[in-house]
Amino acid sequence: DAGITQSPRHKVTETGTPVTLRCHQTENHRYMYWYRQDPGHGLRLIHYSYGVKDTDKGEVSDGYSVSRSKTEDFLLTLESATSSQTSVYFCAISGGDSYEQYFGPGTRLTVT
Amino acid sequence: GQQVMQIPQYQHVQEGEDFTTYCNSSTTLSNIQWYKQRPGGHPVFLIQLVKSGEVKKQKRLTFQFGEAKKNSSLHITATQTTDVGTYFCPGSYIPTFGRGTSLIVHP
Repeated sequence: DAGITQSPRHKVTETGTPVTLRCHQTENHRYMYWYRQDPGHGLRLIHYSYGVKDTDKGEVSDGYSVSRSKTEDFLLTLESATSSQTSVYFCAISGGDSYEQYFGPGTRLTVT
Repeated sequence: GQQVMQIPQYQHVQEGEDFTTYCNSSTTLSNIQWYKQRPGGHPVFLIQLVKSGEVKKQKRLTFQFGEAKKNSSLHITATQTTDVGTYFCPGSYIPTFGRGTSLIVHP
């Protein structure tokens, strides 16, 4: 598996609290992505990054912000968590010409 | 990203039967990728198709890219319980995965 980790792997938080999820890669890949996966909705892109400090919105970006200050780290922040943001969050990386993606193990987030 | 529709959403088969899932796009795709996600796991890249009419095989899996580069298919011959999972076919360099096709194999 590609060198990609996510932290934390599990988190329970209360509505209204800020939450930050971290994605870390050791592959020096240019692209990094954040997805959420929910039953009935499949895998949906939240934000992606195409370089340090270069990010763009995906399909479901409302309520989320991201930052990428280093090649290896891509942070996803929920400024004020809501129950609708309970989900499994996946980070992915890609690089080179093929754009094939390698996924992290996921973070299960529960907002109570 | 380019929207790719995938059918069926679910497929139940008896072990040993064949299985096919189809992806269709209204626009021409530069490439299409296939991923598999086992229950409780993360998506894993299987293959990428780039050329019109391309056919690639991985053991019992056969991947095809349409001549017009607007559709693709994954065919599994003689399914096994290890084939259980959800298969995705995102297109575009900023992929949209959607719901995929969930394959359930009954022993």
